[in-house]
Amino acid sequence: ELKVEQNPLFLSMQEGKNYTIYCNYSTTSDRLYWYRQDPGKSLESLFVLLSNGAVKQEGRLMASLDTKARLSTLHITAAVHDLSATYFCAVGAGGTSYGKLTFGQGTILTVHP
Amino acid sequence: DADVTQTPRNRITKTGKRIMLECSQTKGHDRMYWYRQDPGLGLRLIYYSFDVKDINKGEISDGYSVSRQAQAKFSLSLESAIPNQTALYFCATSDLSQGRHTQYFGPGTRLTVL
Repeated sequence: ELKVEQNPLFLSMQEGKNYTIYCNYSTTSDRLYWYRQDPGKSLESLFVLLSNGAVKQEGRLMASLDTKARLSTLHITAAVHDLSATYFCAVGAGGTSYGKLTFGQGTILTVHP
Repeated sequence: DADVTQTPRNRITKTGKRIMLECSQTKGHDRMYWYRQDPGLGLRLIYYSFDVKDINKGEISDGYSVSRQAQAKFSLSLESAIPNQTALYFCATSDLSQGRHTQYFGPGTRLTVL
């Protein structure tokens, strides 16, 4: 059974600081997704990582994937208040269940002035 | 117009009542999913459907049933609602023909069972 764990679960940051959210998963997968959820809203896709060593960047967020370590990171650079949200990683299943995702618990990020 | 819609958006019901949540999509995707979200637990998969004739249980299907009425419609039913089914429910879609296979989420239905 695929398990996905994020840490930290809660992250309080000051504006301008850098930090990293970690996503570990238990079995081999070739697809890793990061989503953002604003309070009371739906999930919005941020990044899709499809191969070992993949790196994607959008603004102050950068995601990377190490399939050998079964680890993805979401790095936040010079945080701003608008980045306050819950961030989820999700790992894709293989075989006959291709398409299914297993989600981490989510990391609630709060950026303070 | 939104590509994935859910109705109702909010629902309060009583223990023992039957309730149906509906999901429609205009994205033309073949795959549809139902999740529930609870604080601290992330999203957990209830049921998923890879086409109209293919329905599969997810990790927490007990107490739920689904119907895929058409490629664009996927409904979730709670046959006899109980308070611990109070949660935020999301429908999602994806397309096998797209290599990235991203799932796209509806706006969610907030369900309260009293």
